[in-house]
Amino acid sequence: SQKIEQNSEALNIQEGKTATLTCNYTNYSPAYLQWYRQDPGRGPVFLLLIRENEKEKRKERLKVTFDTTLKQSLFHITASQPADSATYLCALEDSNYQLIWGAGTKLIIKP
Amino acid sequence: KAGVTQTPRYLIKTRGQQVTLSCSPISGHRSVSWYQQTPGQGLQFLFEYFSETQRNKGNFPGRFSGRQFSNSRSEMNVSTLELGDSALYLCASSSTSGQSYTEAFFGQGTRLTVV
Repeated sequence: SQKIEQNSEALNIQEGKTATLTCNYTNYSPAYLQWYRQDPGRGPVFLLLIRENEKEKRKERLKVTFDTTLKQSLFHITASQPADSATYLCALEDSNYQLIWGAGTKLIIKP
Repeated sequence: KAGVTQTPRYLIKTRGQQVTLSCSPISGHRSVSWYQQTPGQGLQFLFEYFSETQRNKGNFPGRFSGRQFSNSRSEMNVSTLELGDSALYLCASSSTSGQSYTEAFFGQGTRLTVV
């Protein structure tokens, strides 16, 4: 069956360190993958999109990698700050051009 | 440019009632998608409308329906509410649909509580 999985356990990181979140998928061949940030009680906010022919994408302190062989995307936040604390969602497009979402990983950055 | 606006923000309804939620997309966006989000669950896709036509539909019962107007505003209706329908309902707009899918812009959601 098709699945998109993110670590359901909260990730606790010390301020200043690099946070790495994982998104794994099975039985999909997405043309691209997206990452979003969601704060409590609010809608997700788009962060980055990476295409299947791109190995890595960067935006300020954010970096995303996409390994189509491993069927995995990694999302990194360098020099993490307490304000980065949120839930991070990955999403990919299925064959019907519909976005399929992971359940998200809650990231907690401790001062 | 104004963002995606969802109304109301909060709603409390009784089992068996029906509810209508509204979404105004970003100006110029023709695609509107609706999602249900419950604690611990990912976003569950309900349906997508593009230029007043339903393009995609998720695996939800027929009690969930929607429509889109000529100005791209969209409404979602849930009839015969059940306790399990309590959730955050999110609307997302996009400038395109289909093969040129780009980032989705979300509203703040409507928190529906069924008692």
